Amino acid sequence: SAVISQKPSRDICQRGTSLTIQCQVDSQVTMMFWYRQQPGQSLTLIATANQGSEATYESGFVIDKFPISRPNLTFSTLTVSNMSPEDSSIYLCSGSLNTEAFFGQGTRLTVV
Amino acid sequence: GEDVEQSLFLSVREGDSSVINCTYTDSSSTYLYWYKQEPGAGLQLLTYIFSNMDMKQDQRLTVLLNKKDKHLSLRIADTQTGDSAIYFCAESIRGGSYIPTFGRGTSLIVHP
Repeated sequence: SAVISQKPSRDICQRGTSLTIQCQVDSQVTMMFWYRQQPGQSLTLIATANQGSEATYESGFVIDKFPISRPNLTFSTLTVSNMSPEDSSIYLCSGSLNTEAFFGQGTRLTVV
Repeated sequence: GEDVEQSLFLSVREGDSSVINCTYTDSSSTYLYWYKQEPGAGLQLLTYIFSNMDMKQDQRLTVLLNKKDKHLSLRIADTQTGDSAIYFCAESIRGGSYIPTFGRGTSLIVHP
């Protein structure tokens, strides 16, 4: 299995600012992903973080709003840019190893 | 409709069995997963089943898969108050990537 650490675990941010969330995996995973979980909703895939190249974004998500980095196999960052209250959500990092996907504890973001 | 559907709530008495149901739409699903999310925490992979299996048992957990009806269930025997959480069903449909697609989650409430 893989242990995934995210930070910060929660934050309250002013609208118009940006927040960068970090994700560290304790072992090399084949793929890393970022999800959003809005209150009472399921997890929605934002993008696949690709090592050393631009992330692959899902429909409805764009790089300008959610820039992602993955400089090596075990680390990735997600930035939520120019935040608005609609960005208030839980953001989860995930890493997959073979057929299993593991998750961090999430970052609870509140935008005021 | 959604790709993965679950009922939103289930209430059981401590010591009884819980059965959480899930239906999915894509017949090419290769792996089907059950995740547990406790309040304020990330997702914990409980178990998963390969699509060529119809049952998998792991201690108190039993997963049943009816591929013809695209129906997956999770049975928790001797349910305890510590089992109270949200349970997510997920399928992976992207060959080679195993990126899970999640249902909205079933909130399991265990009462004395």
